[in-house]
Amino acid sequence: ILNVEQSPQSLHVQEGDSTNFTCSFPSSNFYALHWYRWETAKSPEALFVMTLNGDEKKKGRISATLNTKEGYSYLYIKGSQPEDSATYLCAFIFPFSSGSARQLTFGSGTQLTVLP
Amino acid sequence: DSGVTQTPKHLITATGQRVTLRCSPRSGDLSVYWYQQSLDQGLQFLIQYYNGEERAKGNILERFSAQQFPDLHSELNLSSLELGDSALYFCASSVGYQKTQYFGPGTRLLVL
Repeated sequence: ILNVEQSPQSLHVQEGDSTNFTCSFPSSNFYALHWYRWETAKSPEALFVMTLNGDEKKKGRISATLNTKEGYSYLYIKGSQPEDSATYLCAFIFPFSSGSARQLTFGSGTQLTVLP
Repeated sequence: DSGVTQTPKHLITATGQRVTLRCSPRSGDLSVYWYQQSLDQGLQFLIQYYNGEERAKGNILERFSAQQFPDLHSELNLSSLELGDSALYFCASSVGYQKTQYFGPGTRLLVL
């Protein structure tokens, strides 16, 4: 079984704080990693698709980095705002040689609450 | 609005029944994916279609089946429903399997 793990499970920060969380995945035969933002009562919204070791992507105050050799990705939020409160999911596409080919395997997410 | 539509939004049915969930992908997207989110569970991949053909299968029960039609819309059929099938079912679409997936609003299924 190939797993994607996210930490921490939940996080409470004050408005204005910067924060980051981790997604860990099997480092062999990396293919692609996705980050999604999932607000309560809505559907997951794509943030980034990362494919190359050393990739850094940015969208407003949110950025992500990727280390395929060691099998992790970090998501950073600078100056958190209450509207950033959501569950942040990472998802990994396993390579064709595995039984989980061509599908996104999601981590359980990091639930972020930004307190005003 | 992701451009992916799902109907119905809510569905209440009884055990043993059969239901069909429908998904229309974003214009131009050839891949459709189905996911299930049960209580206290993460998003579980069920099945993927690309341009009408099944491309990948995940944790989909034998009681469940899906298809993608020539106009690229997809249907997920759930039969012999059990209480444990109560969940939020999402459809997503993308241009290709490694590309960004855009999620629909989901269908909430309650089996009583």
